[in-house]
Amino acid sequence: QVQLVQSGAEVKKPGASVKVSCKASGYTFTSYYMHWVRQAPGQGLEWMGIINPSGGSTSYAQKLQGRVTMTRDTSTSTVYMELSSLRSEDTAVYYCARVWRDGYPKGAFDIWGQGTMVTVSS
Amino acid sequence: EIVLTQSPGTLSLSPGERATLSCRASQSVSSSYLAWYQQKPGQAPRLLIYGASSRATGIPDRFSGSGSGTDFTLTISRLEPEDFAVYYCQQYGSSPVTFGQGTKVEIK
Repeated sequence: QVQLVQSGAEVKKPGASVKVSCKASGYTFTSYYMHWVRQAPGQGLEWMGIINPSGGSTSYAQKLQGRVTMTRDTSTSTVYMELSSLRSEDTAVYYCARVWRDGYPKGAFDIWGQGTMVTVSS
Repeated sequence: EIVLTQSPGTLSLSPGERATLSCRASQSVSSSYLAWYQQKPGQAPRLLIYGASSRATGIPDRFSGSGSGTDFTLTISRLEPEDFAVYYCQQYGSSPVTFGQGTKVEIK
């Protein structure tokens, strides 16, 4: 079945970096754009950016520009999200989410990963 | 950036009642690129509605979406026990993608 499986929880110190993976299965990986969304404890959803798994092009939320990098490995059907210079405000659950319509960057998110908790604490 | 404002913040209802959730955009949402998600504690969001009014695969027909331009509504015709959750609207027609702050539907 179609699914996205993310890497496990991380605890990082302020100033460090974290890299979260999201492995896709059950569909043609390169045909569907992927987004990253995060959710701070008890808060709403915040869009982080999008990656085209086919060509690797990306677009990031302005507030994260310079700190976030999204990449993909087509050989393993995995997308990655790396966030650097971590601060306490980055403590959140990080989700990858697939756009429902193949070949289109604009679309609702029909498949979500299970989420990865990233805790930033000294 | 399109700001989405959801109301009310919390809706207290009983099973079997009708729920009406509102999502208002700060500017017109292009091509009705508006979605609704349900999220339960400890779970990822689940897509309910896309294109303002189309139900996602496997979503019961008690969920319906309507609206266009800047005003959108999610209606749950008769609340089932499993429908008590937080609901988010999202616009994906303009960059950046944005979400509303959420409406919690709780048991009265």
